[in-house]
Amino acid sequence: GAVVSQHPSRVICKSGTSVKIECRSLDFQATTMFWYRQFPKQSLMLMATSNEGSKATYEQGVEKDKFLINHASLTLSTLTVTSAHPEDSSFYICSAGPSAGPQETQYFGPGTRLLVL
Amino acid sequence: GENVEQHPSTLSVQEGDSAVIKCTYSDSASNYFPWYKQELGKGPQLIIDIRSNVGEKKDQRIAVTLNKTAKHFSLHITETQPEDSAVYFCAASKGGSYIPTFGRGTSLIVHP
Repeated sequence: GAVVSQHPSRVICKSGTSVKIECRSLDFQATTMFWYRQFPKQSLMLMATSNEGSKATYEQGVEKDKFLINHASLTLSTLTVTSAHPEDSSFYICSAGPSAGPQETQYFGPGTRLLVL
Repeated sequence: GENVEQHPSTLSVQEGDSAVIKCTYSDSASNYFPWYKQELGKGPQLIIDIRSNVGEKKDQRIAVTLNKTAKHFSLHITETQPEDSAVYFCAASKGGSYIPTFGRGTSLIVHP
């Protein structure tokens, strides 16, 4: 149980284009999902908290107009990187906390590697 | 806010040896401490967690200990195998909907 999927697993795009990443909780409902960014050999950097049916909460320094988050259902959150630039290249990981049970437990997706040329 | 320190940053052991990774936290209100294993190119996977009402928890070759007084917790892996090679992250949170704070990670290398 507690499986989180991400799609796509890898994406290469041209500078200036937008990229959408999907995060799905497959066998549980998640009121809250989280989006992280991870640079090589570094820890996880929380970007934003995605709440079903309401606006996302962004961490300091994260541009909300650049990283659009939509949490339209209890099993799906999307992150759209708008007008991507090479510096946005990174490993993006989502996690989900089950609505039922211990709410502090987070389950991570497999990640999406974004390369902006 | 919470600050989590993790040591060592790199740990190299021979197959069959034990490995210990240590973390300290700063916020005495933290009461939930998960450990994640991240293999290359993949997302972190929860391997074990402990809540502040217990001092130790074990799951086969993996164990976690917690010292609330000293505000530190440790991951112990016994009889290490090459497939244990990965980056391990500790985290601390206040539970509930509080977002965990992660350590910087430990790269464990198990030599066959």
